[in-house]
Amino acid sequence: EVQLVESGGGLVQPGRSLRLSCTASGFTFGDYAMSWVRQAPGKGLEWVSFIRTKAYGGTTEYAASVKGRFTISRDDSKSIAYLQMNNLKAEDTAVYYCTRGPRDSSGWSDYWGQGTLVTVSS
Amino acid sequence: SSELTQDPAVSVALGQTVRITCQGDSLSSYYASWYQQKPGQAPVLVIYGKNNRPSGIPDRFSGSSSGNTASLTITGAQAEDEADYYCNSRDSSGEHLVFGGGTKLTVL
Repeated sequence: EVQLVESGGGLVQPGRSLRLSCTASGFTFGDYAMSWVRQAPGKGLEWVSFIRTKAYGGTTEYAASVKGRFTISRDDSKSIAYLQMNNLKAEDTAVYYCTRGPRDSSGWSDYWGQGTLVTVSS
Repeated sequence: SSELTQDPAVSVALGQTVRITCQGDSLSSYYASWYQQKPGQAPVLVIYGKNNRPSGIPDRFSGSSSGNTASLTITGAQAEDEADYYCNSRDSSGEHLVFGGGTKLTVL
């Protein structure tokens, strides 16, 4: 059974940093791209970032709203994807979901974690 | 602002058919995928690719595309289909991903 479990969320002051983790199980982690998607309270889904597999160079993409502040990475030996979030702003407050994907050129993700809440507030 | 545009809300009578649409320039090049999200839950993939359903998704859900518009159709809507629905695809650059703003489906 495929499982994605996010951790690392919490309350953080503006300007500070936080690192989210996504622990995967039930599949060969290194064979899949991994993404982070967020949802602000009462709002829609917003794509944040994804990281390709090592076979595709492990390269990364970021939404304009987080580029330069967030860094996605992966440890295939541990089946974990990370999202390092620096210089956090109030508008980064959201539930952050880890997803398995994009699965192909159209960008769909087939599995999602339950999410971890990040609250940026003084 | 989203590069994929959805109607904010749609309603359907129980057992009837409803179509939820998603418009965007990138949809002429890439398929849309569709996710169902119920309150307090993570999104669930319901349609991907040309018209594919993951295991466990009822066959009353189907997808289609024409030009720059993708559609999710629910044939014979059930009470449990009441949820928010989001489309997703590549953006116009093809490098990034984007979600539509979401459609709240009410089953009357």
